[in-house]
Amino acid sequence: EVQLVESGGGLVQPGGSLRLSCAASGFTFSTYAMSWVRQAPGKGLEWVSTIGAGSDTHYADSINGRFTISRDNSKSTLYLQMNSLRAEDTALYYCAKYVLPGAARSFDIWGRGTMVTVSS
Amino acid sequence: EIVMTQSPATLSVSPGERATLSCRASQSVSSKLAWYQQKPGQAPRLLIYGASTRAASIPARFSGSGSGTEFTLTISSLQSEDLAIYYCQQCHDWPLTFGEGTRVEMK
Repeated sequence: EVQLVESGGGLVQPGGSLRLSCAASGFTFSTYAMSWVRQAPGKGLEWVSTIGAGSDTHYADSINGRFTISRDNSKSTLYLQMNSLRAEDTALYYCAKYVLPGAARSFDIWGRGTMVTVSS
Repeated sequence: EIVMTQSPATLSVSPGERATLSCRASQSVSSKLAWYQQKPGQAPRLLIYGASTRAASIPARFSGSGSGTEFTLTISSLQSEDLAIYYCQQCHDWPLTFGEGTRVEMK
């Protein structure tokens, strides 16, 4: 079964840091681009970042260099290092897999998400 | 940034009737558009990619059409399990962007 399981969320003060992880199973992780998508409470979906199979990276403008996406193919795990967190980063963070190994840029498998709350 | 605009915000449809959801891009995205369904408390589910290709295990009552800047998701005969919020997403250029969603409710 293809599965993504996120972890690492929690409550953090403004300016703090968190590292999210996403453990993948059931597919050849190294051949697929992977992404993080977030959803603030009661709001819509917002793409955050993508890392390609070749480790090329892309980020939303709102991230402003504060987040770093990475992957460890030996562990089939995706990461998101989040620094200088702001209240507006409060959201459920989903890990998502590209539907195709190439440049489809749409997501067929999603995790259940991990909640990040930025508050003092 | 490509802005995605969905309409209507809420769509009320009787069971068994056709539901038509629209998505407009602020500039051409060719056929690089996806549709997702999200039910309360659940992760999004991919319905359509490449504007018209149904994802795996998606019922045939869901279909997508369009290219350029105008796209449509059609649910041919609405079932109770189709009540959800539907999002479109452009896959053409960075940053990837989603529409604000259309809520489908039962009339």
